[in-house]
Amino acid sequence: QAVVTQEPSLTVSPGGTVTLTCGSSTGAVTSGHYPYWFQQKPGQAPRTLIYDTSNKHSWTPARFSGSLLGGKAALTLSGAQPEDEAEYYCLLSYSGAPVFGGGTKLTVL
Amino acid sequence: QVQLVQSGAEVKKPGASVKVSCKASGYTFTSYDINWVRQATGQGLEWMGWMNPNSGNTGYAQKFQGRVTMTRNTSISTAYMELSSLRSEDTAVYYCARNLGYCSSTSCYLIMDVWGKGTTVTVSS
Repeated sequence: QAVVTQEPSLTVSPGGTVTLTCGSSTGAVTSGHYPYWFQQKPGQAPRTLIYDTSNKHSWTPARFSGSLLGGKAALTLSGAQPEDEAEYYCLLSYSGAPVFGGGTKLTVL
Repeated sequence: QVQLVQSGAEVKKPGASVKVSCKASGYTFTSYDINWVRQATGQGLEWMGWMNPNSGNTGYAQKFQGRVTMTRNTSISTAYMELSSLRSEDTAVYYCARNLGYCSSTSCYLIMDVWGKGTTVTVSS
């Protein structure tokens, strides 16, 4: 099974910008992996933010955006808010099964 | 509004089976796949598989093949995930999620929008 890699932790200042990335052990991440991003806060179910690389759900704050960057999927947060402090997971689809990354703990400090 | 309501917490002994339910409301149950995801305490998310409530077709992650069964009862708009031969490593929160996309035997296009609140399964002797 493929391994999906994310930064274990990142810190961003309030109002700042940060980019989280999502890599694949099989090579470059492409749109064919339909990159997907979730946000999860302690004690809560995951909430989907981005699907199919860059598409947002109706509840996804505009400050979040998804893209492909340097062979990885990327989630960029522009103008971080205290409530954005959470764990962020990416998910990539491979033939047969989707695989989650290990998650990035984002601290807003 | 669209909701997925999951069954309550379970405590099981090693070797037993557990069946978690996920009741859908606010939409036509047979129109969208249900996916199952689990999360061990303090750990990341793990995709388990999908079920098409209309056809009953399923697809499971290789790790769970032979141990997991996903079924449904369309008359009560409820999906089920049964995991057998439980071991301590199966202690986790199990989530169901609606998929606006689709899955087949060879690929999954996921647009998971609504999630259940999760069911805690504890496996302990």
